Amino acid sequence: GEDVEQSLFLSVREGDSSVINCTYTDSSSTYLYWYKQEPGAGLQLLTYIFSNMDMKQDQRLTVLLNKKDKHLSLRIADTQTGDSAIYFCAEKGISGAGSYQLTFGKGTKLSVIP
Amino acid sequence: KAGVTQTPRYLIKTRGQQVTLSCSPISGHRSVSWYQQTPGQGLQFLFEYFSETQRNKGNFPGRFSGRQFSNSRSEMNVSTLELGDSALYLCASSLEVATTEAFFGQGTRLTVV
Repeated sequence: GEDVEQSLFLSVREGDSSVINCTYTDSSSTYLYWYKQEPGAGLQLLTYIFSNMDMKQDQRLTVLLNKKDKHLSLRIADTQTGDSAIYFCAEKGISGAGSYQLTFGKGTKLSVIP
Repeated sequence: KAGVTQTPRYLIKTRGQQVTLSCSPISGHRSVSWYQQTPGQGLQFLFEYFSETQRNKGNFPGRFSGRQFSNSRSEMNVSTLELGDSALYLCASSLEVATTEAFFGQGTRLTVV
């Protein structure tokens, strides 16, 4: 089946930039997403990028996509303690049934050191 | 605009029982998907409903079922509960099936004892 891989942990100092990386295998991916999950909460959609784009910037967030290498990254500028959470990379591909579903990575736990 | 509402937030059930979880999507959204989140397996796709029809189903046993009503609200049911069914069950709401954005609810935390 299709697979999405992420490193499990990242620790950064407050004010530094964080870069969370993700690789995926599904070549039929249409969109790629970053979700944030805080303890005890659901998933918050942070940003997404269409598969034919290279980059998308949204305030402190920058998404870079290398489609050839199937590599996606999320850069958070000026990381704050409130950014501490688990970040999930997800890709939306077409299933065998012709429908769409999200396939998630295992999540990267970002810890921000004050 | 209200977000995705899942009820109940927490549930404790005994092995062998059955359970029904509810999801009300964002007003106007017609697609509802369900995901199971566990520490070991991460987030796994259960099924997707659109216009009261199941469009897609993940790799889960038949004990997991769902349905969608004409107002787009969805329920999922798990029968003959097992300890391994303990998880956070998340519902995602989208305007249409192929829509870009999927918004998640807070989830229902199911504990099977």
